[in-house]
Amino acid sequence: QSALTQPRSVSGSPGQSVTISCTGTSSDVGGYNYVSWYQQHPGKAPKLMIYDVTKRPSGVPDRFSGSKSGNTASLTISGLQAEDEGDYYCCSYAGTYTWVFGGGTKLTVL
Amino acid sequence: EVQLLESGGGLVQPGGSLRLSCTASGFTFSNYAMSWVRQAPGKGLEWVSSISPSSNYTYHADTVKGRFTISRDNSKNTLYLQMNSLRAEDTAVYYCVKRSVPGSYYFDYWGQGTLVTVSS
Repeated sequence: QSALTQPRSVSGSPGQSVTISCTGTSSDVGGYNYVSWYQQHPGKAPKLMIYDVTKRPSGVPDRFSGSKSGNTASLTISGLQAEDEGDYYCCSYAGTYTWVFGGGTKLTVL
Repeated sequence: EVQLLESGGGLVQPGGSLRLSCTASGFTFSNYAMSWVRQAPGKGLEWVSSISPSSNYTYHADTVKGRFTISRDNSKNTLYLQMNSLRAEDTAVYYCVKRSVPGSYYFDYWGQGTLVTVSS
């Protein structure tokens, strides 16, 4: 159950797009279409942004999108806004009702 | 409105025990699988334990297996995490997390968390 690999930080200017990668193995990311993404602001609980690789919960702006290729999933945020700044975590189902998270990526809006 | 309210955190010595509770409201608790996820200070998220709606199945991360036990009382809409033989590396905010609809594999609601500090 090794953590998924995410970049420590990414940044972008308002209006730009950024992509956060999440690399696992064939036992987690590559083996299931059950990757989810969570946004966390300082001192707050995580919030679901993307589930089942590409699906957005009600209320999440369509600026947020997800994708997957092989053992790597990605979260793309287009039209960056100041309120998008925070930490982002990917999560993958890893079989037998276990999950593995990524180490987290700090998004800075310049 | 779905609400998850954790309690029971605090300061405990290494080797000690603690029981966390999570009181749920706003949904039919007995229909949903639940989990605990933790976050060490300044670190990332780590899945800890999961339990099926009727407590038929429980699962724990290797890092806590044999020391932590997840359980639930559907009559009280409450989820528990019994933590024994605590270590310094168990220091974290522990989140109570609701899994989405049966057959789903993501977490749609999170509590605000309760801090567990293991230190002498």
